[in-house]
Parts: sequence; C-alpha cells; structure tokens
Amino acid sequence: EPEVTQTPSHQVTQMGQEVILRCVPISNHLYFYWYRQILGQKVEFLVSFYNNEISEKSEIFDDQFSVERPDGSNFTLKIRSTKLEDSAMYFCASSLTPFAGGRDEQFFGPGTRLTVL
Amino acid sequence: EDKVVQSPLSLVVHEGDTVTLNCSYEVTNFRSLLWYKQEKKAPTFLFMLTSSGIEKKSGRLSSILDKKELFSILNITATQTGDSAVYLCAVGFNNNDMRFGAGTRLTVKP
Repeated sequence: EPEVTQTPSHQVTQMGQEVILRCVPISNHLYFYWYRQILGQKVEFLVSFYNNEISEKSEIFDDQFSVERPDGSNFTLKIRSTKLEDSAMYFCASSLTPFAGGRDEQFFGPGTRLTVL
Repeated sequence: EDKVVQSPLSLVVHEGDTVTLNCSYEVTNFRSLLWYKQEKKAPTFLFMLTSSGIEKKSGRLSSILDKKELFSILNITATQTGDSAVYLCAVGFNNNDMRFGAGTRLTVKP
C-alpha cells in the first residue's frame, strides 16, 4: 500500500540552526501539507502546497518557515534559525484532491521529531 | 475565529462499553469533517463527512455530521483495549485550510 515517508525520524539541532525536514508524498498525489504537534498539544496546520506554490498557510507559518518541492518526489519544510519552541513532531501529509474539498482522504507520514536544544 | 472543540478531553471506560465522542466547530466555508485515531505517532484516518445526517460506519465505529448544529459524533460500540488512543476531529474549510480539535483521549480498561 502506498505511504507517505518522512526523514529523518528524529532531528536534534542547536537553537539558531537551520533544519530541513523531508517528505516523500504518495506518488500520484497533487496536494501536500505540513502539520506540527508540540508534545501534549493539538495537531496544528502549517501550510498546504499545490502546483509548486503555497495554497494556504496558518499564522504559525511565518518567515521562519519555507516549503519546497525541489524535484518530482520530495517535499521539504525548512525552518530557519530554530527556536526552542519549534521543538515538536512535524507531520507531512498528501492527498489526491484538495483536502478541504472533501473528496479524498489525506494520508499522513510517520512524522519527524524535532528537538531544539 | 475558526475553531474546533472536542469533548470530553479524556474518557476512561471498560471493555464492552459504548462511547460517544463529540466535535463541534465554527469555521468559514466548511468543506469537510474528519475523524482520526492517533496512537503513538501519525494520525490514521477513520472517516470523512461532508453531508448532514448520513452515517458512516466501519465495524464498531460510526460517525454522523449535523451541519445545521455544527457538530459531529463518533461512536464506538463494544470497546476493546485496542481502541485506547487519542481521537482527533479535524475540519477542512476555505480553499484548503484545516483545523484540528484538541482530541479526546480514550482509555479502555480490561
């Protein structure tokens, strides 16, 4: 069964460093998403991406964050100048059609746990 | 402000009990409501609801949406210890935005 994969599974970084989290969505999917979940808190939407551009982003997704689809398979989240409060589990997801259109389910990857020291 | 509220926040039952989890929402341009089960890591999909009054069922789980009163319920009958998890409600709205509730932590004791 096709699945979304994410690497690394755990990333430890020093405050102020840049990190890139990688995701490989399901191959025929067209819509891509990043979410984060701070330990013990709710899942939060960060950004949705379609046709090589951001289609929606939340207030969390400020200039510190950027997303890219550098080739036909990877979808990356870059966090510049990491802060302690960026420590969280970051989930990537993909869907065949616009998630909010309510026609196709959204598949989540296993997550990357980011720890900022 | 767009919001999704789940209740209760936590629930402890015994095997065989039936539980009802609630999700209410207030969003602009509602598109869909989804239920997920989160055990250790990533949420796993349970149901997607877009129309009022149509029950979706999968085994012992079922869910229904009321778009007039802006809520959904998730029912689990004959609960098992393997049902222990956090159940997340998420609402898709606007173009492709999404908001999650805080989740209901269900613990099923043997």
